[in-house]
Amino acid sequence: AQRVTQPEKLLSVFKGAPVELKCNYSYSGSPELFWYVQYSRQRLQLLLRHISRESIKGFTADLNKGETSFHLKKPFAQEEDSAMYYCALSADNYGQNFVFGPGTRLSVLP
Amino acid sequence: EAGVTQSPTHLIKTRGQQATLRCSPISGHTSVYWYQQALGLGLQFLLWYDEGEERNRGNFPPRFSGRQFPNYSSELNVNALELEDSALYLCASSSTGKLYEQYFGPGTRLTVT
Repeated sequence: AQRVTQPEKLLSVFKGAPVELKCNYSYSGSPELFWYVQYSRQRLQLLLRHISRESIKGFTADLNKGETSFHLKKPFAQEEDSAMYYCALSADNYGQNFVFGPGTRLSVLP
Repeated sequence: EAGVTQSPTHLIKTRGQQATLRCSPISGHTSVYWYQQALGLGLQFLLWYDEGEERNRGNFPPRFSGRQFPNYSSELNVNALELEDSALYLCASSSTGKLYEQYFGPGTRLTVT
């Protein structure tokens, strides 16, 4: 069965510092990986997906199949990046087997 | 475009009772997903409905059930409530062909006393 792990429950960085939110997965096939974000008092929303290879709000994530990782990175953290971040995996394109990680709370300090 | 809506916002029930939670997807979306977000456990997949049919369910007992109506709105029913059912229940919707791109509602906070 597929599984997503996010080793850090809480990550605190100072404004302007680089940030990396770790995500590892276990799945024998070729998964699709996503990052979802939930800002304070807002809904959970899709941040980015690996297949699009885009940068959203300065964040990027590269799928490393060898290390089964999909870490989220940003070179210079901003206070407005403070939120809960969830890594998610889809084992197919049919909505089945969509698994979320436990989440990492990012706190960007002034 | 209106987002996913859920009702009620809060629901307080007693152990053993039944709870009904409702979700209206974004117009044009045919898939509805239900998740349970219990404290400290992250998001747990509950159910997936598409075109009125249950397509998949997570590792939850049968007392968690639901349905999807012809207008694609959905209900989640939890029977014989237990204290550990207290959680935030999130509904999400997506369109056919973009099932990964789920749009979430604000959630219903269920408290079982």
